[in-house]
Amino acid sequence: SQQGEEDPQALSIQEGENATMNCSYKTSINNLQWYRQNSGRGLVHLILIRSNEREKHSGRLRVTLDTSKKSSSLLITASRAADTASYFCATSLTGANNLFFGTGTRLTVIP
Amino acid sequence: DAGVIQSPRHEVTEMGQEVTLRCKPISGHDYLFWYRQTMMRGLELLIYFNNNVPIDDSGMPEDRFSAKMPNASFSTLKIQPSEPRDSAVYFCASSLGGVRGPGTQYFGPGTRLLVL
Repeated sequence: SQQGEEDPQALSIQEGENATMNCSYKTSINNLQWYRQNSGRGLVHLILIRSNEREKHSGRLRVTLDTSKKSSSLLITASRAADTASYFCATSLTGANNLFFGTGTRLTVIP
Repeated sequence: DAGVIQSPRHEVTEMGQEVTLRCKPISGHDYLFWYRQTMMRGLELLIYFNNNVPIDDSGMPEDRFSAKMPNASFSTLKIQPSEPRDSAVYFCASSLGGVRGPGTQYFGPGTRLLVL
């Protein structure tokens, strides 16, 4: 399966700390995307990184991609209680327009 | 734009009944996706359409599930007959495709289905 796997499954940190989530996948990709899901809501797109990119920033988010290791990481700096959510990575195969979502990391930020 | 619209938001039905979920994608988007999310299986892609044409329905669990997209602004996912194991949150998402691969998918709020 192309489905990505996030690690850890759950993460609990104090407000102000950094949170790092990892995603591993199995086959060559076109791009990798990270999404966030608040409880009871739909997923919201955070950031997209293409296969020829190694790092990308958006506000307090930093995403890295290592295609040789087939892995990506999402770093949230200076976390806030409002960052509490589940975070999913999603991968796409070359030439395809659908995404394969991982199992998600449940992040809890304690105020 | 109001985003992806799904209805109903909640549905409670009895086993054996027909269930119809509805989705209105974002105007101008040419891809529409139906997902199912459960604690056990996570987020599963059921089917997706490009320009109203079904492209991949390999995720549809069985013949009881069917999906249509009669026009660019409307899609339905039907379960007939419904079973308790169909209980899940069903999401619709839309996106604008491109030669450089899939773009951002915009998700609706989901339909929470409970089959008794």
